[in-house]
Amino acid sequence: QVQLQQWGAGLLKPSETLSLTCAVYGGSFSGYYWSWIRQPPGKGLEWIGEIYHSGSTNYNPSLKSRVTISVDTSKNQFSLKLSSVTAADTAVYYCARMGSGIHQGYYYYYMDVWGKGTTVTVSS
Amino acid sequence: QSALTQPASVSGSPGQSITISCTRTSSDVGSYNLVSWYQQHPGKAPKLIIYEGSKRPSGLSNRFSGSKSGNTASLTISGLQAEDESDYYCCSYAGSSTRVFGGGTKLTVL
Repeated sequence: QVQLQQWGAGLLKPSETLSLTCAVYGGSFSGYYWSWIRQPPGKGLEWIGEIYHSGSTNYNPSLKSRVTISVDTSKNQFSLKLSSVTAADTAVYYCARMGSGIHQGYYYYYMDVWGKGTTVTVSS
Repeated sequence: QSALTQPASVSGSPGQSITISCTRTSSDVGSYNLVSWYQQHPGKAPKLIIYEGSKRPSGLSNRFSGSKSGNTASLTISGLQAEDESDYYCCSYAGSSTRVFGGGTKLTVL
């Protein structure tokens, strides 16, 4: 059974860089997209971006200028970096595996395995 | 980019059925229509409950079902139980290789 274990710094000062890593255990790393999602306190989910095992990335346009998602296939890990953080970046950050399929010729994706979340607080 | 609109809250009594809607702002077809749904209890990670619009992951109760009509996807929970009280989110392709979540719906079991 696939499990995602995530870790990273939980308290940052404004302008610092958020850095989180997610490790994949118990399943294949290849052939999947791997995503980061966040949830500010009391608010809804926001998709941050994703990376394919080969390193191809897609990002949320609203965060694209500050986000870098990378992969280390030798360790079955992927990472998130978010630069120049502000209080608005305070959130629980989740990593997730993207399941996929094809329906009538169209690809579709969904988050089928989630990490437990890491709380990141940005405060001076 | 396509956005998804959900009602902020819905409620129902035990044993009843409720439906949560997820309406896309644009009239795109294809991958845009293939919505997934997630259940999130307080303090917990979201859990996949519906994918490809209407499919359930293995082992999930058949009280949860998904459907689509035009620009609106729907999640129906039948035979409401106390443990169904949770937040529910839809998610879809949003164009240009991006994804978007609906704003979430809080389900209260009365």
